[in-house]
Amino acid sequence: NAGVTQTPKFRVLKTGQSMTLLCAQDMNHEYMYWYRQDPGMGLRLIHYSVGEGTTAKGEVPDGYNVSRLKKQNFLLGLESAAPSQTSVYFCASSQPRTSGNEQFFGPGTRLTVL
Amino acid sequence: QKEVEQDPGPLSVPEGAIVSLNCTYSNSAFQYFMWYRQYSRKGPELLMYTYSSGNKEDGRFTAQVDKSSKYISLFIRDSQPSDSATYLCAMMETSYDKVIFGPGTSLSVIP
Repeated sequence: NAGVTQTPKFRVLKTGQSMTLLCAQDMNHEYMYWYRQDPGMGLRLIHYSVGEGTTAKGEVPDGYNVSRLKKQNFLLGLESAAPSQTSVYFCASSQPRTSGNEQFFGPGTRLTVL
Repeated sequence: QKEVEQDPGPLSVPEGAIVSLNCTYSNSAFQYFMWYRQYSRKGPELLMYTYSSGNKEDGRFTAQVDKSSKYISLFIRDSQPSDSATYLCAMMETSYDKVIFGPGTSLSVIP
């Protein structure tokens, strides 16, 4: 099993450009998440999904959109990139149970916006 | 005040030392407590998981939760250079809620 994969691994954008980050998981998990990680800020939740066709806002959703058309994929879009969106982006998936909710993370995408 | 606070370090210890990593939190409704380990340029991975108060031991690692003080700890015995990583505490109210992560503590174990 590949687990959680993210595409691309690195990207440099100019201010105002758009891009889509792709996350795929092969564990048949219901829940998927997009986080950004910045120095000293920890992981901050951007958007999440509790099932195919559903999405919800997290802590820092502004400037991002998401879609979950297939259960195994979760896309994160930046419509008009800004330098403040320079960060490392992590996708995660999980299958919540009453005993807990372990999240499995992808390797991350390093995005620089100039 | 942030919901979860954690000393960012960096923390540097000699090989074989006992390491203590800590987090405090403000939400008394948190019931699930986790520690994630993140190696440089990798995604976090779950290290320890505890429900409610008490201790949990797994090899060289011990997780403690004190809900009365809103304080959780991770102890690493006989630390190894391979333990060098960032350790993130995380917690949630129920297993179906969003996870709140601390900012992480960077640990270096020097051979």
